[in-house]
Amino acid sequence: DIQMTQSPSTLSASVGDRVTITCRASQSISRWLAWYQQKPGKAPKLLIYLASSLETGVPSRFSGSGSGTEFTLTISSLQPDDFGTYYCQQYSRYATFGQGTKVENK
Amino acid sequence: EVQLVESGGALVKPGGSLRLSCATSGFSLSDAWMSWVRQAPGKGLEWVGHIKSKSDGETTDYAAPVKGRFTISRDVSGTTLYLQMNSLKSEDIAVYYCARSSGSFDYWGLGTLVTVSS
Repeated sequence: DIQMTQSPSTLSASVGDRVTITCRASQSISRWLAWYQQKPGKAPKLLIYLASSLETGVPSRFSGSGSGTEFTLTISSLQPDDFGTYYCQQYSRYATFGQGTKVENK
Repeated sequence: EVQLVESGGALVKPGGSLRLSCATSGFSLSDAWMSWVRQAPGKGLEWVGHIKSKSDGETTDYAAPVKGRFTISRDVSGTTLYLQMNSLKSEDIAVYYCARSSGSFDYWGLGTLVTVSS
């Protein structure tokens, strides 16, 4: 099974900050990686697919990069609506999610 | 507009069975790969399994914790996805989401809560 490890688990940031979340795969997944945002009590929302492709309607302050085993999600300037939990997901073989990164208000 | 609406979540006793439904609209269910993803209270997301599109053979795959106990299927009319859950355990307590998958999950339902307790 492919394991996904995110860091950090919790991130405290302020509006306007640049935020970076890292996701590591236990083996190479090429660019078969997605990022999601989840708010409490809501379903996850797709932000990025194929490691760096922005889903339609997602603000351009979100970007993804990486390939192989190391990936990052960057929010260039954190906005009030961006607080929540972020998950990476590999789809190289079936699907596995990272454990999540909670972005909270500093 | 693509819509996914889950139903069927309930309180069930350990060892019991439950069938979840996911009513779909706005796309052809038979042409899509569909997954079930669950989230235990306060925990992260866990893929449960998927059913491939009709053109890809409609075969199913499951995560290890549910293999042999859970079954994913589609109805004959082609608009509803099902998750049949047997031999339920306390570890299966979660909100269950159906999601359309093209590798990544681009559309999700709102989820339905399954509780297992005596």
